[in-house]
Amino acid sequence: QSVLTQPPSTSGTPGQRVTISCSGSSSNIGSNYVYWYQQLPGAAPKLLIYTNNERPSGVPDRFSGSKSGTSASLAISGLRSEDEAIYYCAAWDDSLSGHVVFGGGTKLTVL
Amino acid sequence: EVQLTQSGAEVKKPGASVKISCKVSGYSFSDYYMYWVRQAPGRGLEWMGLLDPKDGETTYAEKFQGRVTITADTSTDTTYMELSSLRSEDTAIYYCARNHDYQNPHLDYWGQGTLVTVSS
Repeated sequence: QSVLTQPPSTSGTPGQRVTISCSGSSSNIGSNYVYWYQQLPGAAPKLLIYTNNERPSGVPDRFSGSKSGTSASLAISGLRSEDEAIYYCAAWDDSLSGHVVFGGGTKLTVL
Repeated sequence: EVQLTQSGAEVKKPGASVKISCKVSGYSFSDYYMYWVRQAPGRGLEWMGLLDPKDGETTYAEKFQGRVTITADTSTDTTYMELSSLRSEDTAIYYCARNHDYQNPHLDYWGQGTLVTVSS
């Protein structure tokens, strides 16, 4: 059971907009930045969004992040077949002596 | 070009230890923290710990306290992760990743992963 809660799966058709939610608590999302990673099959995760809503160089502006309270969302607009992947949210958690927590991952299928 | 190159796959028996290396290039090793993250087959990502290469200070996930040791060799720009008392549940791909920050998981470059299989 992951500390951050994500839906196991979602889907969309090309061109559509989809959102992936990530629910946490006051000790993680509520008090720290949220990060999003994209993992393509057989590959290492790739940083998609940092500090809630910033995109690294090279990440298309079709990807956007937001945070409100103890929840965060990743939105993907103009869905493309190459977006089919597993998406993870992550944050620092201030409980215990501090640690990183990940969501369980959301498998995005492009129909 | 920033690269993190990990050592090859390992097969270990239960109770044994494994030590994985992660050699970095393309940036100043001491300027970034190093995280270790693992992923069991078909499962999600799990944080194991972090290292500050400047002084060797480490922070470990509570789950792995006492079993994991993360070290750095600044002469070769290499970080190591050793996991002891292996059990079948430790079968996973282990990743090193560069972090801009001590505690926020801003992991912008990752190693290719090292598969560790624990089997009798």
